[in-house]
Amino acid sequence: SQQGEEDPQALSIQEGENATMNCSYKTSINNLQWYRQNSGRGLVHLILIRSNEREKHSGRLRVTLDTSKKSSSLLITASRAADTASYFCATDYEGNTDKLIFGTGTRLQVFP
Amino acid sequence: EPEVTQTPSHQVTQMGQEVILRCVPISNHLYFYWYRQILGQKVEFLVSFYNNEISEKSEIFDDQFSVERPDGSNFTLKIRSTKLEDSAMYFCASTGTAPTYGYTFGSGTRLTVV
Repeated sequence: SQQGEEDPQALSIQEGENATMNCSYKTSINNLQWYRQNSGRGLVHLILIRSNEREKHSGRLRVTLDTSKKSSSLLITASRAADTASYFCATDYEGNTDKLIFGTGTRLQVFP
Repeated sequence: EPEVTQTPSHQVTQMGQEVILRCVPISNHLYFYWYRQILGQKVEFLVSFYNNEISEKSEIFDDQFSVERPDGSNFTLKIRSTKLEDSAMYFCASTGTAPTYGYTFGSGTRLTVV
């Protein structure tokens, strides 16, 4: 299987609910990043968590990292319709920081 | 907030033609990248560029591809002889003093090869 895999592949929620997306990876990493992509648009960096960190917050975003399980989760609290997008995790690969390996993405739909 | 700018936003080209995709990274960034995303698929690494040379490239980045930083501000991706399977969204990205921080991506160039 691949370096970055997210689940679920798709998630639909109502405004105000929390959305949780998970990411698993295979190799050792230096850091893990989350990006958002609105349909047909570019990638927007949301948050970066380093391998020696376990949790990080940024506004309504909360990211956790469990290096023993090689997994991360992204929690968006109190979601809004504007959060509708695809969310990708991305890691470096075996400590090589020169490129990012992206996951398959979670498509989040937030209904007003 | 500083942006990475890509032009054109959409390019249609005939198979076999050469295309040049242009990017203006953030001015004080030192690391530059090209990624691509075939419709509905993952974002894939193509090439990284630092100190005026390629630092890493993927197996996708074959002899048909080349990159250049011709004038200290632009960063270009050239595809010498396009194939149908080159149709994708191409993203340029840059990052600052070390590639251990979040990347800033451009909004992409949609390349359609017909």
